[in-house]
Amino acid sequence: LAKTTQPISMDSYEGQEVNITCSHNNIATNDYITWYQQFPSQGPRFIIQGYKTKVTNEVASLFIPADRKSSTLSLPRVSLSDTAVYYCLVGSTSGTYKYIFGTGTRLKVLA
Amino acid sequence: GAVVSQHPSRVICKSGTSVKIECRSLDFQATTMFWYRQFPKQSLMLMATSNEGSKATYEQGVEKDKFLINHASLTLSTLTVTSAHPEDSSFYICSAIGSASGANVLTFGAGSRLTVL
Repeated sequence: LAKTTQPISMDSYEGQEVNITCSHNNIATNDYITWYQQFPSQGPRFIIQGYKTKVTNEVASLFIPADRKSSTLSLPRVSLSDTAVYYCLVGSTSGTYKYIFGTGTRLKVLA
Repeated sequence: GAVVSQHPSRVICKSGTSVKIECRSLDFQATTMFWYRQFPKQSLMLMATSNEGSKATYEQGVEKDKFLINHASLTLSTLTVTSAHPEDSSFYICSAIGSASGANVLTFGAGSRLTVL
């Protein structure tokens, strides 16, 4: 099972780009990397998913190097409403699978 | 998009009673559902994995007789906290995975906050 490691917390200012890196040294061949956002007293919300290289959607970009042992979530021009906890999750539906959360990164966006 | 509904969102009960939490996939068939619990300021802790029609697989340290999980259909899983005690007070979150949610994407419910008096 791939274990993930992220910085515990980060601070940023409104309008800045924020990059959160996640280490997953034991990622398996079939595993995907998925990032979630969680606000207090809510369930996690899907942000983006990737397998390799770069993925971009309307809210974020995900960068995955060739060895896939880490990934970086990039949030462009953050706002106060992006203050939340961000989790990277590694897993797949191939074979026996489970999805274990790491500590997550508590992002605080300052005015 | 894939939606998971969780009910109730909040429940308060007396010590010794049992509480049932429902998790429904509204627009897709959930082949597998996961149950997590979360304490304040902490990450989500996986409690168990359930597949439709079979017994749930519990994580180490999770009492299966305490936390009964039933995944009777492809759209419904329930978590029953039996003989609840104050230490069971927590935020319980279900998630589901299925073809419509994306092959490797977990869709989460909004969570259920349990307070045991």
